[in-house]
Formats: sequence, C-alpha cells, structure tokens
Amino acid sequence: AQKITQTQPGMFVQEKEAVTLDCTYDTSDQSYGLFWYKQPSSGEMIFLIYQGSYDEQNATEGRYSLNFQKARKSANLVISASQLGDSAMYFCAILGTSYGKLTFGQGTILTVHP
Amino acid sequence: NAGVTQTPKFQVLKTGQSMTLQCAQDMNHEYMSWYRQDPGMGLRLIHYSVGAGITDQGEVPNGYNVSRSTTEDFPLRLLSAAPSQTSVYFCASKNQGLNTEAFFGQGTRLTVV
Repeated sequence: AQKITQTQPGMFVQEKEAVTLDCTYDTSDQSYGLFWYKQPSSGEMIFLIYQGSYDEQNATEGRYSLNFQKARKSANLVISASQLGDSAMYFCAILGTSYGKLTFGQGTILTVHP
Repeated sequence: NAGVTQTPKFQVLKTGQSMTLQCAQDMNHEYMSWYRQDPGMGLRLIHYSVGAGITDQGEVPNGYNVSRSTTEDFPLRLLSAAPSQTSVYFCASKNQGLNTEAFFGQGTRLTVV
C-alpha cells in the first residue's frame, strides 16, 4: 500500500516570493515515481513535475523544482517567483510498480497575494 | 488531439437511478483509471484498467462498475446512485512506465439528490 501525506491544508505567499509545499510518502516499492499536479479553480488537473526514486538529481521544470529527500521520504515542491496565477490546489501523488494506481495526497490550497 | 474526454460535465441524479459516465482517450494509452474527488480527501481511486479486457478495483470501488472493451473507452457505471456518491469524478489515462504522467479529463460534477 502507498500513502501520501500533505500536512498543509492552506498556504499563503506574497507575489514574487518562493514557497515550499510539503509532501511525505510511504511505500514498500523499491522503484516509484512522485508527481505534482496543479488544480486551478476551473477544476482541470495539470501535471507539473516528476521525480523518479532512482533519479540522482532533483527535478526542475521552469519555476518548479522538487526537493527530493529519499531517506526522509519527502518530495517537497518549490515554486520560485510566485505569480497570481499560481493560486490553486496542489496535489502530490505516488506511483509504484502497480502502474495503474496513482495515489494522491489531500492537497494544499496555495493563495498568492499581490 | 483531444486527449481524455469525459461526458457529461454535470449531472443530477435521483437516489436509486443508474447512469454511465463516459471516458475516451485518443492517445493509445494502456492504463486508464477513475477517481473521485471529495473536499479534504484528495483524489481516490475507484477502478483502474491496465489494458483492454483487464480491470481491477481501487480504494473505493463499492457502488461502481467498469469494463474496458477497447483501448480507447473506459466507462464508469453507477448501479444505484446514493447521496454519498455526490462528488467530482475524473478519468485519467497514462502510458506504460513509471515516469509517464497521467492525463486527466475535465471532470464530471455529479449530484445525487
């Protein structure tokens, strides 16, 4: 069984500042992948970034980066230079060797203030 | 390229009615799945499929039925709707492999009264 925990129900950040959204996971699989998705108020699910369990480098995609600490089983999302359009719900998810079963956390609502 | 198409977008059902949520993808993905999203609970897996003719239960399968007769389609059937099934439903598809992301449909907002 796999589990994702997102302990921050809501986060606030000032525009142009950086923010970290926390994600811890639990899995018995040796190989796994960690994903972050963004869900704006319009409701669609937008893929942001991926980190593989054997990747030696932290993943980066534009303003998004992943602070992956395997020993601590954490995969925190860092958003640099926040923009008003970053206000949304953010989900962390894990995929193990059962490739059809993506397990999500409860989500964090991020609000960016001007 | 349409991606993952879900219909309908909104639906109101009476308790006890049945209905089918449609999901189609045009990316030739092997894996398809259905999730429900409830406030404070994230997305929970209902059923998933790893290929045509193969389905399996997820975390919350009770009250739902699925089948996968083609690679493209993965409908979700509510057998006898209950108010507890009021939720937003998402269909997703992905390619094989650990490092491929899941693509989601636009969601179906279902209300059971």
